[in-house]
Amino acid sequence: AQSVTQPDIHITVSEGASLELRCNYSYGATPYLFWYVQSPGQGLQLLLKYFSGDTLVQGIKGFEAEFKRSQSSFNLRKPSVHWSDAAEYFCAVGAFAGKSTFGDGTTLTVKP
Amino acid sequence: NAGVTQTPKFQVLKTGQSMTLQCAQDMNHNSMYWYRQDPGMGLRLIYYSASEGTTDKGEVPNGYNVSRLNKREFSLRLESAAPSQTSVYFCASSDRAGGPYEQFFGPGTRLTVL
Repeated sequence: AQSVTQPDIHITVSEGASLELRCNYSYGATPYLFWYVQSPGQGLQLLLKYFSGDTLVQGIKGFEAEFKRSQSSFNLRKPSVHWSDAAEYFCAVGAFAGKSTFGDGTTLTVKP
Repeated sequence: NAGVTQTPKFQVLKTGQSMTLQCAQDMNHNSMYWYRQDPGMGLRLIYYSASEGTTDKGEVPNGYNVSRLNKREFSLRLESAAPSQTSVYFCASSDRAGGPYEQFFGPGTRLTVL
């Protein structure tokens, strides 16, 4: 069975600092991986996705993620965080028939 | 192009009451999903419809029923609401049947069962 672990429930960073959110997955084949962001009171929005090819993928809002098969990881990064990045972030692994599995989420707080 | 829409946005029910949550998408997507989101538990799949005319149970289907009315619409019904069903419900769609593609989410329905 597939699973996703986001080890950090809550992360606080200062505005302008770099960010890395961790994601580890368990999946029996080549994974399809996603990062979504959820602002308060909103639905989820796709930040980026990995299906195959280049292991470093670029997304919206200046985010990137790196797929590391050997570590079963798909960590999300941003070089310089903005106050508007405060939100909840979800890593997900996709499977057939749409049965994607989501992690429990990481809440990002940005200090001024 | 409204994407995925959900109605209502908020709802308060008493234990035992029934209600239907509505979801519609205008992206011509084949697959649609219903999730619930509870604090600290991420999103849990209730039901999904890989294509028009098919529905399947997800991780937490008990107490819910669904109807894929047509390609656009996918409704979630609570026949006899319980306080444990207090949650935020999200509908989502994706553009391929049987494929692990990105999902597009609606804004959610915040349901409280007293």
